[in-house]
Amino acid sequence: QQQVKQSPQSLIVQKGGISIINCAYENTAFDYFPWYQQFPGKGPALLIAIRPDVSEKKEGRFTISFNKSAKQFSLHIMDSQPGDSATYFCAASITGGGNKLTFGTGTQLKVEL
Amino acid sequence: GAVVSQHPSRVICKSGTSVKIECRSLDFQATTMFWYRQFPKQSLMLMATSNEGSKATYEQGVEKDKFLINHASLTLSTLTVTSAHPEDSSFYICSARGTTYGYTFGSGTRLTVV
Repeated sequence: QQQVKQSPQSLIVQKGGISIINCAYENTAFDYFPWYQQFPGKGPALLIAIRPDVSEKKEGRFTISFNKSAKQFSLHIMDSQPGDSATYFCAASITGGGNKLTFGTGTQLKVEL
Repeated sequence: GAVVSQHPSRVICKSGTSVKIECRSLDFQATTMFWYRQFPKQSLMLMATSNEGSKATYEQGVEKDKFLINHASLTLSTLTVTSAHPEDSSFYICSARGTTYGYTFGSGTRLTVV
């Protein structure tokens, strides 16, 4: 049972544009929602994370929007750069629930010049 | 910030041999460590969760006798792939979680079994 659905599978954005990746979850007990960036041959690196008590969090060019009632959250990358080309994963976990992260299926982002 | 060191980054071994992968938390105590497997262009698949001093908890379908996990200290966890076969070839990633930091991932190990 896939508990976190991620879309799109791949995304091409022009340099300077906005990249938007969406995730939807099923388990209402999830209370931690991170986004990870992964380059080929490397482990994932935390970009930004949010908890359900806020609807938006911004760190530099990266913003998470969170809609608790819709059970959806999204990552917005403003002013996308070629160096942002990577695979992005959303994830969710339950604090104290074994702390396991449930990952989305990933989005391959390519930022073109 | 939290740093997790994973070694080796790449390993090639012969079929039937065993391979050990190390995962160390360098600047924090990892109360829980996770081991993942990732196939090309796919998401991370959790293999097992280990708490320091306890036996690992394996996900359904993961052979615990094949993938031995040891979490003997708060800074070190190891994954040993025993009697490796070509189908075990994959990208293995560890993650550590402490009391202060969230989840920090290692840089991964590319295992190739020939």
